[in-house]
Amino acid sequence: KQEVTQIPAALSVPEGENLVLNCSFTDSAIYNLQWFRQDPGKGLTSLLLIQSSQREQTSGRLNASLDKSSGRSTLYIAASQPGDSATYLCASLTSGTYKYIFGTGTRLKVLA
Amino acid sequence: NAGVTQTPKFRILKIGQSMTLQCTQDMNHNYMYWYRQDPGMGLKLIYYSVGAGITDKGEVPNGYNVSRSTTEDFPLRLELAAPSQTSVYFCASSINPGTSGSGTGELFFGEGSRLTVL
Repeated sequence: KQEVTQIPAALSVPEGENLVLNCSFTDSAIYNLQWFRQDPGKGLTSLLLIQSSQREQTSGRLNASLDKSSGRSTLYIAASQPGDSATYLCASLTSGTYKYIFGTGTRLKVLA
Repeated sequence: NAGVTQTPKFRILKIGQSMTLQCTQDMNHNYMYWYRQDPGMGLKLIYYSVGAGITDKGEVPNGYNVSRSTTEDFPLRLELAAPSQTSVYFCASSINPGTSGSGTGELFFGEGSRLTVL
């Protein structure tokens, strides 16, 4: 059974810092891995999707990498801003299923 | 482009009442999902559908039912509401997860429905 873990659960950083959020999964047979952002009281917004054949994806200041062999994905945020404050969740889609399994998220606070 | 639309946004139920959470998407996605999110927890899959007329259970299906009569709509019914069903419910949709085509597998979410059972 696929399990997805995100560490740390919460993180506070000063504005301008580069930071890395971690996502670990137990079953390396995945179709893809997605990173989402969730603002308080809102739904989830997809940030980046990495297919199993890819190693990384980039969008603006965000870069997500995928290492299936080690069961890890990282979300790199460059030059963090207060507007980046939100909860970030990752989800994996295991091969042979249509079910996305979510981590519990990392709550990020960027201090001005 | 509306995307995924959920109604109602908020609802308070008494124990034992029933209700239906509505979800509709206008992106012609074949896959649709219902998740619940409890405070401090990740999302748990309740039910999902791979196309009209086809549904299947997720991790936490007890106390819920779904139907998928059209591609666009995927309502979630709560029968005999219990306090344990107090949660935020999210509907999501996707196209062809598990394939390698561009854009496939990306999940789109509604804004959520906050349900309280007293």
